[in-house]
Parts: sequence; C-alpha cells; structure tokens
Amino acid sequence: GAVVSQHPSWVICKSGTSVKIECRSLDFQATTMFWYRQFPKQSLMLMATSNEGSKATYEQGVEKDKFLINHASLTLSTLTVTSAHPEDSSFYICSASGRTEPYEQYFGPGTRLTVT
Amino acid sequence: KQEVTQIPAALSVPEGENLVLNCSFTDSAIYNLQWFRQDPGKGLTSLLLIQSSQREQTSGRLNASLDKSSGRSTLYIAASQPGDSATYLCAVLNQAGTALIFGKGTTLSVSS
Repeated sequence: GAVVSQHPSWVICKSGTSVKIECRSLDFQATTMFWYRQFPKQSLMLMATSNEGSKATYEQGVEKDKFLINHASLTLSTLTVTSAHPEDSSFYICSASGRTEPYEQYFGPGTRLTVT
Repeated sequence: KQEVTQIPAALSVPEGENLVLNCSFTDSAIYNLQWFRQDPGKGLTSLLLIQSSQREQTSGRLNASLDKSSGRSTLYIAASQPGDSATYLCAVLNQAGTALIFGKGTTLSVSS
C-alpha cells in the first residue's frame, strides 16, 4: 500500500516561534494533500487541502496566515505553524491522494505539537 | 453540510465476542466510505473502503456494510481480540473526491 511519512513525529516549541511539519508520499505521486488537526478524544478536523503547484484551500475558521501550507512537489507538502501559541498544541495529521479513482487517502503517522 | 455520527462512543467487550460498530451520515451523495483504526497517539490505518456502488467489503475478521440510501454503515468485528482495542473511525468522501468527513469514533476495549 501507499506510504506517507511525516516529520517530525513530535515537536516542542516556545510561544511565538514557528514550526514546520513535512508530509511526504514515499511511493506515489500525490496530486492532493490534506492537513487535519485532532484534539484529544476528538475526531479529525480538515484544515486545508492543497494541490501540487496551487494555493491551498482552507476550511472555514482556519487562519491561512497562521497555518501556511506549501505543496511544491508531487511528493512533499509542508505545514508551517507561525507564531505558535499554546492553543495550537494538537496532533496534526496529513494525508495524500493520487490522481486516479477511488481517490483513497493515505495517512501519515501524525505530528504531536506542544507549544509551551 | 455532511455530518457523520458514530454509535456507541465507547464499547467494552470480553475477548471472543462478535461486535458491531455503527456509523450514520446525513448526505447520501458520497463517493465512498472508509473505516479506519487509530491507536492512541498514532496515525490512521485504513481498514476497509466501500465504494458508493458497493454493499459490503470484507477483510479477515472485519466486514463493513454500506446502505447509502439510508445513510448507514456498520463495521462487524468477529471473534474480537485484545489487539483489536483501538478507536475506530468512519469517514465519508464527498462526490467530488475532495473532502473526507470523519465521525468522532468508537473507542473499543477488548479484555482478555
């Protein structure tokens, strides 16, 4: 099956700093990548969708200037949390989807972000 | 707006029991439905994917059914084992194939 990696798997940063999370599709070309956020004991909430070479589409309520998404190649998307605050602490998961049906999404292992 | 509901929120069973997890969705215009497993602090593992034209999918001890017209899916786990303990998430993909909407999950605990 398709493999998606995320790096780092966990990160601790101080308030006010920025953190970059990478999402890579290792064995297929991901035309579309998705970024989700998950709070404890809650389900996944879609933050944004990015297509290779295009600007990301953000879900309602997600600050695009705070959560910068770049999808520069068919195998790499990055999420940068800018000027992080403690309330940004969460589990961030990416997924990747190829060009062809059934458009199955393959998920990365997630990144635990803690902002102190 | 699509909403996905999973019942029950939590379930505890002794080893060996057969069990059913339920998922319902409000908009039947879906492309497919997926069941995932999530272990604590981990990412998602895809268990079964059912296309909108299909009625069920099976993998080992798992069987998922889909009744698109009534907006329901069930995940059947046969002969449960302690290793099945995890959170099970149901998600539907919209017809455009662009948005996967998740339920809140059912947390399963299987005791030995």
